This record gives sequence, structure tokens and C-alpha cells, in this order.
Amino acid sequence: DAKTTQPPSMDCAEGRAANLPCNHSTISGNEYVYWYRQIHSQGPQYIIHGLKNNETNEMASLIITEDRKSSTLILPHATLRDTAVYYCIVRVAADSSYKLIFGSGTRLLVRP
Amino acid sequence: DAGVIQSPRHEVTEMGQEVTLRCKPISGHNSLFWYRQTMMRGLELLIYFNNNVPIDDSGMPEDRFSAKMPNASFSTLKIQPSEPRDSAVYFCASSFMTAVNQPQHFGDGTRLSIL
Repeated sequence: DAKTTQPPSMDCAEGRAANLPCNHSTISGNEYVYWYRQIHSQGPQYIIHGLKNNETNEMASLIITEDRKSSTLILPHATLRDTAVYYCIVRVAADSSYKLIFGSGTRLLVRP
Repeated sequence: DAGVIQSPRHEVTEMGQEVTLRCKPISGHNSLFWYRQTMMRGLELLIYFNNNVPIDDSGMPEDRFSAKMPNASFSTLKIQPSEPRDSAVYFCASSFMTAVNQPQHFGDGTRLSIL
């Protein structure tokens, strides 16, 4: 699985968009980008994933660059409850191992 | 829908004691994963099962750790004998492995403290 690089911490104001970047310059053609988050004292929570097209769901949007070497998770209207550690993970979805390798993630602080 | 259920939520015990952590995956999921989280090492995969069969236990730290999945709705992670360095939060996750791209769903973990 390709390695990812994320900033250790970010902050944004409540109600504003939070844009969390992830670099995965060694990603392979069959590797997907997954985003999870972990709110304090809870288990990781799946947010979204994508291969090469931009994706949107009720939680967030995922923008993947055309060369797929980086991506951005967008929380359109951040709330205080979005304060969490956000993990960007790259892996082969069809790999029978189905392993998730968590890095250090980005600690997002949403300010009132 | 009920999510992944782990028990107990907290466990405090003395070193040398046997510890058993329990997990009930989401109904219908056929893959189950055990993770451990510490400040030093972050989230690490210990072992995972597909269709109740252990597939990869390379993350299990040593022989003191063992995991079983006797049926599709229950799994245990056992530590015997426990040591203070085993103190961590242990998470169980499940997914539907057959379908491509299915995410893993995590329980809220068991916070284990070995004195």
C-alpha cells in the first residue's frame, strides 16, 4: 500500500469549510483513497473513499487530483463535533487482506 | 442498526491475570479485525478473520495473545498472562469482505489497564 503524508494538525472556524490535504505520490493505479476519523475516546469512523473521481456523501467531499498523487477531504460546514483526528489511507480495495494501515493523521480542531 | 459491540468498555487488572476482550460484529459482516491503539505506536492491526478463519495474525505481539472466532457473531481476544505494556485501547472492526470497497466499521473499544 502506498504511503500517505498529512499535516499533523489544522484548525478552522465553526461553520467554515475544513480542507484536509493528503499526499500519496506513490499511489498505484488500483489503489483507493480512504478517509476515516477518530473522535476522542471513540473508534475510527469511516467517512468516504474514492479511486479517481471526486466523491461526495452526507459527511464530506473527496477531491482527488488528476494525477492521483494527492487528495483533499472537505467538510463543507465544520461543527465543533468534527474536532477529531482524520486519517487518509491508501490501499488496494480488492486485496484479500483488507488491511487498513493507519498513519499519524491530522488533528483537526474546530474553533467556536 | 446495531454497530460493532465490544465488551467490557473498561478493564483494570493486575499483571499476570488473564484478560478476555469480546466483540460482536455487525450482523452479516464476514470479516473481523482486532486493532490496538497506544500513544507510542498509534493504531495497529493485530489479527483479522474472514468467514471465521484467521487470515493474518502477523500483528499479534507475542504468544501471550490469542484470538478466536467460534462463529460469525462472536470473537474474543485473550491475553495470558497480561503485562503492564499491554495497556492500550483495543478495537474490533467488521466489514463485508466479499463486496469490493466495503469500509470497516469499528466498535468503541475496550480500554485496558494492566497494573
